[in-house]
Amino acid sequence: DAGVTQSPTHLIKTRGQQVTLRCSPKSGHDTVSWYQQALGQGPQFIFQYYEEEERQRGNFPDRFSGHQFPNYSSELNVNALLLGDSALYLCASSLLVGGTDYGYTFGSGTRLTVV
Amino acid sequence: DQQVKQNSPSLSVQEGRISILNCDYTNSMFDYFLWYKKYPAEGPTFLISISSIKDKNEDGRFTVFLNKSAKHLSLHIVPSQPGDSAVYFCAASQNNNDMRFGAGTRLTVKP
Repeated sequence: DAGVTQSPTHLIKTRGQQVTLRCSPKSGHDTVSWYQQALGQGPQFIFQYYEEEERQRGNFPDRFSGHQFPNYSSELNVNALLLGDSALYLCASSLLVGGTDYGYTFGSGTRLTVV
Repeated sequence: DQQVKQNSPSLSVQEGRISILNCDYTNSMFDYFLWYKKYPAEGPTFLISISSIKDKNEDGRFTVFLNKSAKHLSLHIVPSQPGDSAVYFCAASQNNNDMRFGAGTRLTVKP
């Protein structure tokens, strides 16, 4: 079992560009959550996808969007990149049962640097 | 390849007593370690961290100990409270990149 896999591991982009990050959930999981972790801070919740729809959303602008595919994998898209978007982006997968997510498992993250 | 391991999936403690959560790692290049707490249906929240230049960091009821030679860290909660009941994740990274998480330990604090 590969667990949660994220790609790419590192990425450098220029201000104003767009970026797509990818996440494959752990086998048996149906829910994917995305987090942004700035240096020295805890992860900030971006959004969660379940059944190919955005189920919950944190306090992030519309520049941050996502998608979940029928195989439960997910993408995080960020448009019009700002320097402040530089962070470690974490994906976590889980199994949603009765509104509670079980087996929460993190990926190792994608380090995005905006220059 | 599990570089960070939390070998106890669950821990039950009486209110007022000490909770000790353990974490082992295999990569000697890790230089920054963190603990996160997660309540059901919520995302993880950062709890406490320690860098490899220290062997102890304390924040209120929470203390993290790092034993680099044993590649082991532990989180002590004293005194434990029912509100501490949650899943606790240990994480480790090198230069704050490529963060690796343990599988989590579910702590239950009984009143």
